[in-house]
Amino acid sequence: SQQGEEDPQALSIQEGENATMNCSYKTSINNLQWYRQNSGRGLVHLILIRSNEREKHSGRLRVTLDTSKKSSSLLITASRAADTASYFCATDLNAGGTSYGKLTFGQGTILTVHP
Amino acid sequence: DGGITQSPKYLFRKEGQNVTLSCEQNLNHDAMYWYRQDPGQGLRLIYYSQIVNDFQKGDIAEGYSVSREKKESFPLTVTSAQKNPTAFYLCASSPPTYGVGNQPQHFGDGTRLSIL
Repeated sequence: SQQGEEDPQALSIQEGENATMNCSYKTSINNLQWYRQNSGRGLVHLILIRSNEREKHSGRLRVTLDTSKKSSSLLITASRAADTASYFCATDLNAGGTSYGKLTFGQGTILTVHP
Repeated sequence: DGGITQSPKYLFRKEGQNVTLSCEQNLNHDAMYWYRQDPGQGLRLIYYSQIVNDFQKGDIAEGYSVSREKKESFPLTVTSAQKNPTAFYLCASSPPTYGVGNQPQHFGDGTRLSIL
């Protein structure tokens, strides 16, 4: 099964509301990344959070990491229709060593923001 | 502007045919990656390369081959041995990861491969 599992699989909200997506993983990690994918396009990197960090912010994005629960969440505040996309978490599989860039992606959360 | 260019955007393969997907980057990144994405699914790693003239198999390398003769280029060949090649193929690159762990990856806009 996938290293990262996102929850929910799909999320539908109104503009202005907050959107929260969760990611769980199975093994220890060096870091966790969140990516966004618009339909039919490539992925865009959003945030990287290291295993010794608990929270990170970037604009309207807030990412938390709980290594004891092996989980992360991505919060998008004051959502806009342009935030409509799929969101993926990605983890490496090796803690404490070199991971050679291998990322394992979850299946993603499809976010739809209605105007 | 720096970025990753994948071509073609759409590709059709006949039975028994090999096809090659192009990936070029001008970000001066050492590491490059190929992923496969099936509908409604996440990305699965096919091959990756940390340096010119070196590459490693990912999780689903069977039926695929790559080369890394230049830093800027990492072409993927889908061979006739890949029996279910219909998918969206994404190429990515990143700064070196040796000794520093994973870096953010930059993605191209993909090639959609279908069977005729």
